[in-house]
Amino acid sequence: DTGVSQNPRHKITKRGQNVTFRCDPISEHNRLYWYRQTLGQGPEFLTYFQNEAQLEKSRLLSDRFSAERPKGSFSTLEIQRTEQGDSAMYLCASSFVPTNTGELFFGEGSRLTVL
Amino acid sequence: QKEVEQNSGPLSVPEGAIASLNCTYSDRVSQSFFWYRQYSGKSPELIMSIYSNGDKEDGRFTAQLNKASQYVSLLIRDSQPSDSATYLCAGGTTSNYKLTFGKGTLLTVNP
Repeated sequence: DTGVSQNPRHKITKRGQNVTFRCDPISEHNRLYWYRQTLGQGPEFLTYFQNEAQLEKSRLLSDRFSAERPKGSFSTLEIQRTEQGDSAMYLCASSFVPTNTGELFFGEGSRLTVL
Repeated sequence: QKEVEQNSGPLSVPEGAIASLNCTYSDRVSQSFFWYRQYSGKSPELIMSIYSNGDKEDGRFTAQLNKASQYVSLLIRDSQPSDSATYLCAGGTTSNYKLTFGKGTLLTVNP
Protein backbone atom coordinates (compact mmCIF):
# COMPACT_ATOMS: atom_id res chain seq x y z
CA ASP A 1 0.00 0.00 0.00
CA THR A 2 1.53 3.31 -1.02
CA GLY A 3 -0.94 5.62 0.69
CA VAL A 4 -0.30 7.92 3.63
CA SER A 5 0.53 5.94 6.76
CA GLN A 6 0.12 7.16 10.33
CA ASN A 7 1.24 5.62 13.61
CA PRO A 8 0.03 4.94 16.18
CA ARG A 9 -3.61 4.77 15.16
CA HIS A 10 -4.77 5.22 18.74
CA LYS A 11 -3.05 6.69 21.77
CA ILE A 12 -4.44 7.00 25.27
CA THR A 13 -2.34 9.01 27.66
CA LYS A 14 -2.58 10.78 30.97
CA ARG A 15 -2.60 14.53 31.21
CA GLY A 16 0.91 15.92 31.35
CA GLN A 17 2.53 13.15 29.35
CA ASN A 18 4.24 13.68 26.00
CA VAL A 19 3.07 11.94 22.84
CA THR A 20 4.54 11.64 19.36
CA PHE A 21 2.79 10.75 16.13
CA ARG A 22 4.48 9.69 12.92
CA CYS A 23 3.35 10.19 9.35
CA ASP A 24 4.78 8.57 6.24
CA PRO A 25 3.46 10.37 3.16
CA ILE A 26 3.02 9.04 -0.35
CA SER A 27 6.60 8.60 -1.48
CA GLU A 28 6.75 11.10 -4.33
CA HIS A 29 4.83 13.82 -2.48
CA ASN A 30 6.80 16.88 -1.45
CA ARG A 31 4.12 18.51 0.68
CA LEU A 32 3.04 17.17 4.07
CA TYR A 33 0.26 18.64 6.19
CA TRP A 34 -0.96 18.09 9.72
CA TYR A 35 -4.59 18.73 10.60
CA ARG A 36 -6.56 18.21 13.80
CA GLN A 37 -10.19 17.18 13.86
CA THR A 38 -12.55 17.09 16.80
CA LEU A 39 -16.01 15.54 16.86
CA GLY A 40 -18.50 17.39 14.70
CA GLN A 41 -15.90 19.68 13.18
CA GLY A 42 -13.98 19.73 9.95
CA PRO A 43 -10.21 19.28 9.91
CA GLU A 44 -8.33 22.30 11.23
CA PHE A 45 -4.98 23.16 9.72
CA LEU A 46 -1.99 22.91 12.05
CA THR A 47 1.15 23.09 9.92
CA TYR A 48 2.69 22.06 6.65
CA PHE A 49 6.06 21.24 5.15
CA GLN A 50 7.49 21.44 1.70
CA ASN A 51 10.27 18.89 1.66
CA GLU A 52 12.02 19.45 5.02
CA ALA A 53 11.03 23.11 5.42
CA GLN A 54 8.14 23.99 7.71
CA LEU A 55 6.41 26.75 5.79
CA GLU A 56 3.49 27.69 7.99
CA LYS A 57 2.15 27.05 11.47
CA SER A 58 -1.36 27.79 12.62
CA ARG A 59 -2.08 29.97 15.62
CA LEU A 60 -3.74 26.82 16.98
CA LEU A 61 -0.31 25.28 17.33
CA SER A 62 0.79 26.24 20.84
CA ASP A 63 4.35 26.02 22.07
CA ARG A 64 3.60 22.52 23.33
CA PHE A 65 3.28 21.31 19.76
CA SER A 66 6.26 20.70 17.52
CA ALA A 67 6.49 19.10 14.12
CA GLU A 68 9.50 18.01 12.14
CA ARG A 69 10.23 16.51 8.78
CA PRO A 70 13.98 16.07 9.03
CA LYS A 71 14.78 14.45 5.70
CA GLY A 72 11.81 15.58 3.71
CA SER A 73 10.19 12.18 3.97
CA PHE A 74 8.34 11.13 7.15
CA SER A 75 7.17 13.66 9.71
CA THR A 76 6.59 13.61 13.45
CA LEU A 77 4.17 15.66 15.52
CA GLU A 78 5.00 15.86 19.20
CA ILE A 79 2.69 17.19 21.88
CA GLN A 80 4.32 17.96 25.19
CA ARG A 81 2.50 18.14 28.53
CA THR A 82 -0.74 16.97 27.02
CA GLU A 83 -4.03 18.52 28.13
CA GLN A 84 -7.54 17.11 27.88
CA GLY A 85 -8.28 19.67 25.19
CA ASP A 86 -5.67 17.99 22.99
CA SER A 87 -7.95 14.97 22.59
CA ALA A 88 -8.69 14.79 18.88
CA MET A 89 -7.93 12.97 15.67
CA TYR A 90 -4.62 14.09 14.21
CA LEU A 91 -4.66 13.76 10.45
CA CYS A 92 -1.69 13.79 8.15
CA ALA A 93 -2.05 14.51 4.46
CA SER A 94 0.32 14.79 1.55
CA SER A 95 0.35 16.24 -1.93
CA PHE A 96 2.70 17.08 -4.75
CA VAL A 97 3.07 20.66 -5.85
CA PRO A 98 3.11 22.40 -8.19
CA THR A 99 2.02 19.79 -10.68
CA ASN A 100 -0.94 18.42 -8.79
CA THR A 101 -4.10 20.40 -8.54
CA GLY A 102 -4.26 20.93 -4.82
CA GLU A 103 -6.03 17.86 -3.53
CA LEU A 104 -4.76 16.37 -0.32
CA PHE A 105 -4.48 12.66 0.34
CA PHE A 106 -5.16 11.80 3.95
CA GLY A 107 -3.88 9.04 6.17
CA GLU A 108 -6.19 7.15 8.51
CA GLY A 109 -5.36 9.45 11.39
CA SER A 110 -4.03 9.08 14.90
CA ARG A 111 -6.67 9.36 17.59
CA LEU A 112 -5.46 10.87 20.85
CA THR A 113 -7.34 10.54 24.11
CA VAL A 114 -6.00 12.46 27.08
CA LEU A 115 -7.36 11.29 30.42
CA GLN B 1 -17.72 35.31 7.53
CA LYS B 2 -15.80 32.14 8.29
CA GLU B 3 -13.53 31.08 5.47
CA VAL B 4 -15.65 28.06 4.51
CA GLU B 5 -19.20 27.56 5.75
CA GLN B 6 -21.50 24.64 5.11
CA ASN B 7 -25.21 24.17 5.72
CA SER B 8 -25.04 22.48 9.04
CA GLY B 9 -27.52 19.68 8.44
CA PRO B 10 -28.01 16.94 9.23
CA LEU B 11 -29.60 16.11 5.90
CA SER B 12 -31.79 13.08 5.45
CA VAL B 13 -33.02 11.87 2.05
CA PRO B 14 -34.75 8.70 0.86
CA GLU B 15 -32.88 6.23 -1.30
CA GLY B 16 -32.96 7.27 -4.94
CA ALA B 17 -33.47 10.96 -4.22
CA ILE B 18 -31.13 13.86 -4.99
CA ALA B 19 -29.06 15.12 -2.07
CA SER B 20 -27.95 18.75 -2.25
CA LEU B 21 -25.04 20.00 -0.17
CA ASN B 22 -24.02 23.64 -0.09
CA CYS B 23 -20.99 25.66 0.89
CA THR B 24 -20.05 29.35 0.89
CA TYR B 25 -16.58 30.76 1.18
CA SER B 26 -14.64 33.95 1.75
CA ASP B 27 -12.19 35.56 -0.63
CA ARG B 28 -9.26 33.98 1.19
CA VAL B 29 -10.09 30.57 -0.27
CA SER B 30 -11.23 31.54 -3.70
CA GLN B 31 -9.42 29.42 -6.21
CA SER B 32 -9.84 25.67 -5.85
CA PHE B 33 -12.58 23.69 -4.19
CA PHE B 34 -12.94 20.13 -3.09
CA TRP B 35 -15.59 17.85 -1.70
CA TYR B 36 -14.43 15.13 0.65
CA ARG B 37 -16.51 12.29 2.04
CA GLN B 38 -15.80 11.08 5.55
CA TYR B 39 -17.34 7.94 6.97
CA SER B 40 -17.65 7.77 10.74
CA GLY B 41 -14.29 7.07 12.32
CA LYS B 42 -12.46 7.23 9.00
CA SER B 43 -10.33 9.85 7.29
CA PRO B 44 -11.58 12.17 4.54
CA GLU B 45 -11.46 10.90 0.97
CA LEU B 46 -11.63 13.14 -2.07
CA ILE B 47 -14.70 12.72 -4.27
CA MET B 48 -14.78 15.89 -6.39
CA SER B 49 -12.65 18.88 -7.25
CA ILE B 50 -13.70 22.02 -9.12
CA TYR B 51 -11.68 25.05 -10.15
CA SER B 52 -13.75 27.08 -12.60
CA ASN B 53 -17.29 28.40 -12.73
CA GLY B 54 -19.98 26.00 -13.84
CA ASP B 55 -20.76 22.37 -13.34
CA LYS B 56 -18.53 19.33 -13.18
CA GLU B 57 -20.05 15.89 -13.34
CA ASP B 58 -18.55 12.58 -12.27
CA GLY B 59 -20.96 9.67 -12.24
CA ARG B 60 -23.73 10.41 -9.74
CA PHE B 61 -21.93 13.47 -8.40
CA THR B 62 -22.13 17.01 -9.76
CA ALA B 63 -20.16 19.89 -8.29
CA GLN B 64 -21.23 23.45 -9.05
CA LEU B 65 -19.12 26.56 -8.55
CA ASN B 66 -20.26 30.17 -8.70
CA LYS B 67 -17.36 32.46 -7.93
CA ALA B 68 -19.43 35.64 -8.17
CA SER B 69 -21.68 34.36 -5.37
CA GLN B 70 -18.81 32.59 -3.58
CA TYR B 71 -20.86 29.44 -3.56
CA VAL B 72 -20.06 25.80 -4.25
CA SER B 73 -22.43 22.86 -4.10
CA LEU B 74 -22.49 19.11 -4.50
CA LEU B 75 -25.43 17.18 -5.88
CA ILE B 76 -25.68 13.44 -5.40
CA ARG B 77 -28.18 11.82 -7.73
CA ASP B 78 -29.84 8.47 -7.06
CA SER B 79 -28.62 8.57 -3.47
CA GLN B 80 -27.66 5.23 -1.97
CA PRO B 81 -27.44 4.17 1.69
CA SER B 82 -23.68 3.83 1.14
CA ASP B 83 -23.57 7.59 0.51
CA SER B 84 -24.42 8.15 4.18
CA ALA B 85 -21.43 10.05 5.53
CA THR B 86 -20.22 13.51 6.44
CA TYR B 87 -19.41 15.65 3.41
CA LEU B 88 -16.68 18.22 3.85
CA CYS B 89 -16.28 21.25 1.62
CA ALA B 90 -12.73 22.59 1.35
CA GLY B 91 -11.27 25.62 -0.36
CA GLY B 92 -7.72 26.54 -1.17
CA THR B 93 -5.44 28.87 -3.06
CA THR B 94 -2.75 28.08 -5.55
CA SER B 95 -0.31 30.23 -3.60
CA ASN B 96 0.17 27.67 -0.86
CA TYR B 97 -2.20 24.79 -1.69
CA LYS B 98 -3.36 24.76 1.92
CA LEU B 99 -6.97 23.67 2.26
CA THR B 100 -9.49 25.20 4.65
CA PHE B 101 -12.39 22.93 5.55
CA GLY B 102 -15.97 23.57 6.54
CA LYS B 103 -17.55 21.81 9.50
CA GLY B 104 -19.16 19.22 7.30
CA THR B 105 -22.72 18.14 6.62
CA LEU B 106 -23.94 14.76 7.82
CA LEU B 107 -25.97 13.03 5.14
CA THR B 108 -28.18 10.05 5.87
CA VAL B 109 -29.77 8.13 3.00
CA ASN B 110 -32.70 6.06 4.20
CA PRO B 111 -33.47 2.75 2.46
